[in-house]
Amino acid sequence: GALVYQYPRRTICKSGTSMRMECQAVGFQATSVAWYRQSPQKTFELIALSTVNSAIKYEQNFTQEKFPISHPNLSFSSMTVLNAYLEDRGLYLCGAGTPNTGQLYFGEGSKLTVL
Amino acid sequence: GDQVEQSPSALSLHEGTGSALRCNFTTTMRAVQWFQQNSRGSLINLFYLASGTKENGRLKSTFNSKESYSTLHIRDAQLEDSGTYFCAVDTNAYKVIFGKGTHLHVLP
Repeated sequence: GALVYQYPRRTICKSGTSMRMECQAVGFQATSVAWYRQSPQKTFELIALSTVNSAIKYEQNFTQEKFPISHPNLSFSSMTVLNAYLEDRGLYLCGAGTPNTGQLYFGEGSKLTVL
Repeated sequence: GDQVEQSPSALSLHEGTGSALRCNFTTTMRAVQWFQQNSRGSLINLFYLASGTKENGRLKSTFNSKESYSTLHIRDAQLEDSGTYFCAVDTNAYKVIFGKGTHLHVLP
């Protein structure tokens, strides 16, 4: 079956430092990867959508300068939260998709706490 | 307004009872997914539907594209069913929009 693993599951970083999170697709080819953030007590906001061999599309309020994304192959993507501050805390979710089904398969998320 | 609306926003059920959660959408959608976010914050995939009905144990989900809604039915609720239930709508290829969730509290 199609599975998506995210690492780390939880991390704590100091204010102003950066944190990198990874997303691994197993059992299918992840041609597209979407990154979401769930801020405390809120729903999931789309940060950006990355498609292999295409430009990464960032949503309003999110920038490449703040959330650089790498999607080097069909099984892996990473995103970094640069200069993290309190407002960046939350659960970061990765969803990976394949054109065969059009469905995004989601990982369990990476929880970021900023001190 | 929001493209994906969930109701109710919060729900309390006694163990052994059941209810239905609803997801209305105002945008063209190809499919709907349902998730449970448990007390640890992890997101658990429940269903992906492009049409019709799916059932898994005590959970059943339906998708009505004509009337633009989906439902998640829970029967014989257990304590471990507590959490927040999100529906997420596939608007087109890989563009998924989440609702704000229904907070379910199962009471002993």
